Amino acid sequence: GAGVSQTPSNKVTEKGKYVELRCDPISGHTALYWYRQSLGQGPEFLIYFQGTGAADDSGLPNDRFFAVRPEGSVSTLKIQRTERGDSAVYLCASSSSLGTAYNEQFFGPGTRLTVL
Amino acid sequence: AQSVTQLGSHVSVSEGALVLLRCNYSSSVPPYLFWYVQYPNQGLQLLLKYTSAATLVKGINGFEAEFKKSETSFHLTKPSAHMSDAAEYFCAVSEPQGGKLIFGQGTELSVKP
Repeated sequence: GAGVSQTPSNKVTEKGKYVELRCDPISGHTALYWYRQSLGQGPEFLIYFQGTGAADDSGLPNDRFFAVRPEGSVSTLKIQRTERGDSAVYLCASSSSLGTAYNEQFFGPGTRLTVL
Repeated sequence: AQSVTQLGSHVSVSEGALVLLRCNYSSSVPPYLFWYVQYPNQGLQLLLKYTSAATLVKGINGFEAEFKKSETSFHLTKPSAHMSDAAEYFCAVSEPQGGKLIFGQGTELSVKP
C-alpha cells in the first residue's frame, strides 16, 4: 500500500501489561512521528525520528514510553506497565523531508489502545 | 512555545451555507500553519498549508484559509457546505526548527440538510 499503516488497529490490554504498537511509514520517508490523541482532544506530539535516531523525544510523557526505529523505516512504540490513562488513539505520521517544517505529514489510521 | 486555539468545539451549519472555522496561533517566529480533516475512524488528511508564500491558501474540497499576521489567525472557510464536509477539523502549527505539529483541540463540523 502507498500510505502509512499501523498495527494493530485496536489493542485492549490490562493495567500493568506491556504493549507494542507498530508503524510502517511511506516508503522512502525519512521522518517519522508519533502522536497520541485522547478522546475529544487534538493529537499530542510524542516523538520524532529522523532516520534511525530520535531527533526529538520531548513529548514522551514518562519513562514507561519508548520508541525505536532500528533500520530507519518501521517504528515501534513501546509502553511498559500500562495505565488506564494511557488509553488513547496512537497516531503515526511520516514525511519525505529531513524534518523541514513545511512538508506534509501523512498520517496513518491509528491504533486505538484501551487499558482496562 | 507555540500554541493553537480553535474557537468553538462544535460548529453546525446548513447545507449550502458558509463554513467558518476559527484558528488563532501563538508564535514568536513566522509559523507554518496547517488545517487537517479527520473523518470518523480515519486518519488525518491535510486540507491546506501556509508556508510563508501567498497569504490566501486554497486547499482541497473547496476549502481555503487566510493567514493574517496582525490577527495571528488562520481561519478556514468554504463558501457552500456539503453534507460530506461533516468531520473533525484540526488547525496545527509547525515549529521552525523541527517538523513536529502542535494541534488545536479540534472543531467538529456538522452539516444539516
